[in-house]
Amino acid sequence: GAVVSQHPSWVICKSGTSVKIECRSLDFQATTMFWYRQFPKQSLMLMATSNEGSKATYEQGVEKDKFLINHASLTLSTLTVTSAHPEDSSFYICSAREGQTQPQHFGDGTRLSIL
Amino acid sequence: QKEVEQNSGPLSVPEGAIASLNCTYSDRGSQSFFWYRQYSGKSPELIMFIYSNGDKEDGRFTAQLNKASQYVSLLIRDSQPSDSATYLCAVNGVENNAGNMLTFGGGTRLMVKP
Repeated sequence: GAVVSQHPSWVICKSGTSVKIECRSLDFQATTMFWYRQFPKQSLMLMATSNEGSKATYEQGVEKDKFLINHASLTLSTLTVTSAHPEDSSFYICSAREGQTQPQHFGDGTRLSIL
Repeated sequence: QKEVEQNSGPLSVPEGAIASLNCTYSDRGSQSFFWYRQYSGKSPELIMFIYSNGDKEDGRFTAQLNKASQYVSLLIRDSQPSDSATYLCAVNGVENNAGNMLTFGGGTRLMVKP
């Protein structure tokens, strides 16, 4: 149980392109989903937290207009990297949890490479 | 500012030995504690979670929690080369209006040598 599916797993695109990443909880209802970014050999960095039906809460330093998050249902959240540039290249990972004290379960991550 | 501290390692143990991974946290209000394993280039995978003081065992893994000392550990018995990974300690407490967040430690890299 507790499977989180994330797509796509790898994206390579040109600078200026917008990229949408999907995160789905397959066998549970995710009241909260989280988006992380991880650069090579570094720790996970939380970008934003979203509750279903509410606006996402972004961490300090994360641009809301650049990283658009939608959490329209209890099983789906999307992250759109708008007008991506090479410095946005990273490993983006979503996680989902059912209740406030429940574990977060991670998707497989999306490796984003902007040329 | 909540902090979760781990020794970055690498922690090197021979195959079959017990690996002991430690984590301290700063927020006394923390309620839930998690251990994740992350292989290089992959996303974190939940190994154990513990909510109450004491030990919790699951197969070769034992999580230990001491809230008074603000300390949580993970023991891996009969370590295997496939256990070689980075182990992330994560702590959950009341954080913001978006609900409880996880604060991750920097991770400890474990190397199990055949």
